[in-house]
Amino acid sequence: AQSVTQLDSHVSVSEGTPVLLRCNYSSSYSPSLFWYVQHPNKGLQLLLKYTSAATLVKGINGFEAEFKKSETSFHLTKPSAHMSDAAEYFCVVRVSYDKVIFGPGTSLSVIP
Amino acid sequence: DAGVTQSPTHLIKTRGQQVTLRCSPKSGHDTVSWYQQALGQGPQFIFQYYEEEERQRGNFPDRFSGHQFPNYSSELNVNALLLGDSALYLCASSGGALAKGNEQFFGPGTRLTVL
Repeated sequence: AQSVTQLDSHVSVSEGTPVLLRCNYSSSYSPSLFWYVQHPNKGLQLLLKYTSAATLVKGINGFEAEFKKSETSFHLTKPSAHMSDAAEYFCVVRVSYDKVIFGPGTSLSVIP
Repeated sequence: DAGVTQSPTHLIKTRGQQVTLRCSPKSGHDTVSWYQQALGQGPQFIFQYYEEEERQRGNFPDRFSGHQFPNYSSELNVNALLLGDSALYLCASSGGALAKGNEQFFGPGTRLTVL
């Protein structure tokens, strides 16, 4: 079955320290993977996407993710957390020609 | 460019009623997808419209129906509302197939509360 798992429902980091949000996927389709961020009372915003080009993908706001086929992972990282990074993050995998499924989300808290 | 817009922003209904939510896609986009996001969960795919037809559908009952107009805007209709239909309903538009690397742009959502 096609699925996406976000291993942590909540992550808390101190401002200025690294961020790691973990995602594992299962897809029988050629994988396209995305990370979206959702701030309270705001729409979903695309952070980055992988579409079978470079395995290390750079996104907006200093985020990046690495596609590892052998581990079926697409973890999101950022070297230094900022207060404005506090939000809900969703890992998303394309499961058919034009359909995606969302992971359950990881809530990121940033402590001053 | 206004991006994806949705109306209304909030809505309160009672069980058994019917509701219609509206979405205008980003300029230049022809594909509209609808998602339901229950509190504390990730968005769940409801269906997708392209060329005024439902092209894909998620695991939602027939109480959920939709429509796309010639100007690419779309409506989501839910009949016989249940308490469990309370959620944030998100609309997303794209300018082509996701398989070709196109991105979905999301609207701010409509918060539906069923009492």
